[in-house]
Amino acid sequence: EVKLVESGGGLVKPGGSLRLSCATSGFTFFNYTMNWVRQAPGKGLEWVSSISSSGSYIYYADSVKGRFTISRDNAKNSVDLQMNGLRAEDTAVYYCAREEYYYDSSVYYYVPYFDSWGQGGLVTVFS
Amino acid sequence: DIQMTQSPSSLSASVGDRVTITCRASQTIVSHLNWFQQKPGKAPQLLIYAASRLQSGVPSRFSGSGSGTDFTLTVSSLQPEDFGSYYCQQSYTFPYSFGQGTKLEI
Repeated sequence: EVKLVESGGGLVKPGGSLRLSCATSGFTFFNYTMNWVRQAPGKGLEWVSSISSSGSYIYYADSVKGRFTISRDNAKNSVDLQMNGLRAEDTAVYYCAREEYYYDSSVYYYVPYFDSWGQGGLVTVFS
Repeated sequence: DIQMTQSPSSLSASVGDRVTITCRASQTIVSHLNWFQQKPGKAPQLLIYAASRLQSGVPSRFSGSGSGTDFTLTVSSLQPEDFGSYYCQQSYTFPYSFGQGTKLEI
């Protein structure tokens, strides 16, 4: 059974730092790209960051670029999100999500999709 | 960046109804369109990937269609457990983006 479990959320003051971790099991972790997605209270989903299976390719949303850093440890089957310079608008539930691929032979494309999600970790930035 | 626009933002329907949610991308995303269902306090769950592929374990009353910029999610016969919010998401290019969501009330 595929499992993703986030930890490390909590309360922090504006300008502070927090590190989220996502522990995984039930699949061959080093074969998968991993993502972080967040959801502010009462709002929709926002993609935050992505890291490829080897860690060579990393992407961020503009809203967190320069403040957040994604990393992974393939020996420990985990992916982290280091969050610095936190702002009130970063308050959200943060989900880690596994990325799978479908090969669409009609257009010769690989289509990524998030097939497994953690339960989420709450980050609250308040003064 | 690609903007995803869903409609309607909310809808109320009855058990047995056929329901359709639309999603439009600001530029072509080919078939890189995924649909998620989310219930209050829970993580999103994948329903449809690559525009029309049904995720394993998802009831066959859910279906997806479309390509290019216009996509639809259809529930053929609404069941009580189908309440919640629905989101489309493009995975054609970074930054990945979600629609604003559709809240479905039964």
